[in-house]
Amino acid sequence: DADVTQTPRNRITKTGKRIMLECSQTKGHDRMYWYRQDPGLGLRLIYYSFDVKDINKGEISDGYSVSRQAQAKFSLSLESAIPNQTALYFCATSDFSRAGANVLTFGAGSRLTVL
Amino acid sequence: GDSVTQMEGPVTLSEEAFLTINCTYTATGYPSLFWYVQYPGEGLQLLLKATKADDKGSNKGFEATYRKETTSFHLEKGSVQVSDSAVYFCALSAPSTGGYQKVTFGTGTKLQVIP
Repeated sequence: DADVTQTPRNRITKTGKRIMLECSQTKGHDRMYWYRQDPGLGLRLIYYSFDVKDINKGEISDGYSVSRQAQAKFSLSLESAIPNQTALYFCATSDFSRAGANVLTFGAGSRLTVL
Repeated sequence: GDSVTQMEGPVTLSEEAFLTINCTYTATGYPSLFWYVQYPGEGLQLLLKATKADDKGSNKGFEATYRKETTSFHLEKGSVQVSDSAVYFCALSAPSTGGYQKVTFGTGTKLQVIP
């Protein structure tokens, strides 16, 4: 099994629908992240969490919300999806305290299409 | 703020050719530098890293040297294979507010190796 698992891998939805992307990890890392990847823009940080009670906005959090249900689970929600949220979404984890540099472990990605 | 600039792709090479993908960065302080690779349909995975000036990261025949004087971290490989076809991301991690090591990514360079 993968260290970081994302579900669903692919989702097509309509404008205005609520969507949840889920992420679970077996790395035992305390830090979890949601990124969005768009062609030509690289990866941009949506939200990050240091532990269950510590959640922070990233550079593009508008239109998104997150929930850290447990150390191993971090979900991303789009309350009312819009077409420009069509993108590839990645969950990542890190254990900075051990690494000394912020090395990220990524899931395989969730491709979301909003029509 | 911090930024990473890498050469635009796509880069197309014949098998066994020499590869260079340029990467330069802007950051305050002393960042750690990374190259991540994304194979088709997969998430990003760490290829190599360097945490201080003059360090050389290496893995799978790829190398990159942390050059503080030129703020660069160019990726090289002496002889590419078809299996190296992927998107390569240069990235840095550096302290930000709250003691969080923020990761900043370049836009990615797509490499295609033809037989």
